[in-house]
Amino acid sequence: AQTVTQSQPEMSVQEAETVTLSCTYDTSESDYYLFWYKQPPSRQMILVIRQEAYKQQNATENRFSVNFQKAAKSFSLKISDSQLGDAAMYFCAGTNTGNQFYFGTGTSLTVIP
Amino acid sequence: SQTIHQWPATLVQPVGSPLSLECTVEGTSNPNLYWYRQAAGRGLQLLFYSVGIGQISSEVPQNLSASRPQDRQFILSSKKLLLSDSGFYLCAWNDEHEQQYFGPGTRLTVT
Repeated sequence: AQTVTQSQPEMSVQEAETVTLSCTYDTSESDYYLFWYKQPPSRQMILVIRQEAYKQQNATENRFSVNFQKAAKSFSLKISDSQLGDAAMYFCAGTNTGNQFYFGTGTSLTVIP
Repeated sequence: SQTIHQWPATLVQPVGSPLSLECTVEGTSNPNLYWYRQAAGRGLQLLFYSVGIGQISSEVPQNLSASRPQDRQFILSSKKLLLSDSGFYLCAWNDEHEQQYFGPGTRLTVT
């Protein structure tokens, strides 16, 4: 079975600073996909970034980047130059086959002006 | 481009009443479809997923059921709602890159 763990229920960051959200994805498969989703107060789930396990290069999308450490099963999200609009719940998720997706319990990010 | 619709957006139903939530996807064919439930301040709980018409996999045994009468339509139903069915229901589909895209959700309150 796959397990997604987010150990930080809440995080805060000063505007314009950098914050890192943690996630671990435990699976016996060697090929899988990992994602970070953002859920603002509107509750619309928005895909932030995606990482294929077979790729050694960490994914980057503008101010968002991941640090994927496959051996350690670690998949952290770094948000640079934090903005007020980044305040949201962030969910880590993974899938082996594309049929079932597993989500963590989320991290609530507060951005302090 | 692909879009995913859910309705209704909000629903207030008494205990014991039936439920029908609908999800439709446009701009793609034969997508994998999913129903999730999210309790307030909590993560996502996978309820059902479907890889094709008439093919439903249930993740959580309960009084809910799902059906897929058409390729891009996914319906979540209940014959008799419980208080514990209250929550935010999200429909999703995933593309060939294994990325999930979510609908706007339905907020269900069972009174």
